[in-house]
Amino acid sequence: GAVVSQHPSWVICKSGTSVKIECRSLDFQATTMFWYRQFPKQSLMLMATSNEGSKATYEQGVEKDKFLINHASLTLSTLTVTSAHPEDSSFYICSASPGQAYGYTFGSGTRLTVV
Amino acid sequence: QQQVKQSPQSLIVQKGGISIINCAYENTAFDYFPWYQQFPGKGPALLIAIRPDVSEKKEGRFTISFNKSAKQFSLHIMDSQPGDSATYFCAASMSTGFQKLVFGTGTRLLVSP
Repeated sequence: GAVVSQHPSWVICKSGTSVKIECRSLDFQATTMFWYRQFPKQSLMLMATSNEGSKATYEQGVEKDKFLINHASLTLSTLTVTSAHPEDSSFYICSASPGQAYGYTFGSGTRLTVV
Repeated sequence: QQQVKQSPQSLIVQKGGISIINCAYENTAFDYFPWYQQFPGKGPALLIAIRPDVSEKKEGRFTISFNKSAKQFSLHIMDSQPGDSATYFCAASMSTGFQKLVFGTGTRLLVSP
């Protein structure tokens, strides 16, 4: 149980375009989901906490208007990278938990390359 | 106070040996300490986790040792195998509600055949 599905697994887009990444909890409901960014050989950096039915909470230094998060249902959160630039190229990962006793499950990640 | 310090940055162990990775935290409000394993191009996978009411937890070849007074915890991988070669992250959080995980910097483990 506690499966988190992330789509797409990789995407290449042109500079200036927008890209949407989906994160789904397949076998549980997730009122809270987390979005991370990971650069090569580095740790995971939390970008924002996604809350179902309300605005996301962004970490300091993360541009809210650039990284749009929508958590419209208990099983789906989306991250949209708007007006993407090459420096946005990174590995984006989401996570969620069915409850305190279960820990956090991570999606398989999305490799974004902006050209 | 939110930091979790992890060492070593990289580790090479011979097959069959013991891999040891250490982490230290500062925030005494943390009460959930998981370890994640990550292979290249994949998301992290939960290996094992511990809460501060126990000093040790073992699952198969993986053991967490926890020292509450020193605010340190470590991962031991017994009988290390080449398939264990991956990056390992320790993390910490508060368990009330859905609290964010604070990650260590990661340890790249290479188990030589």
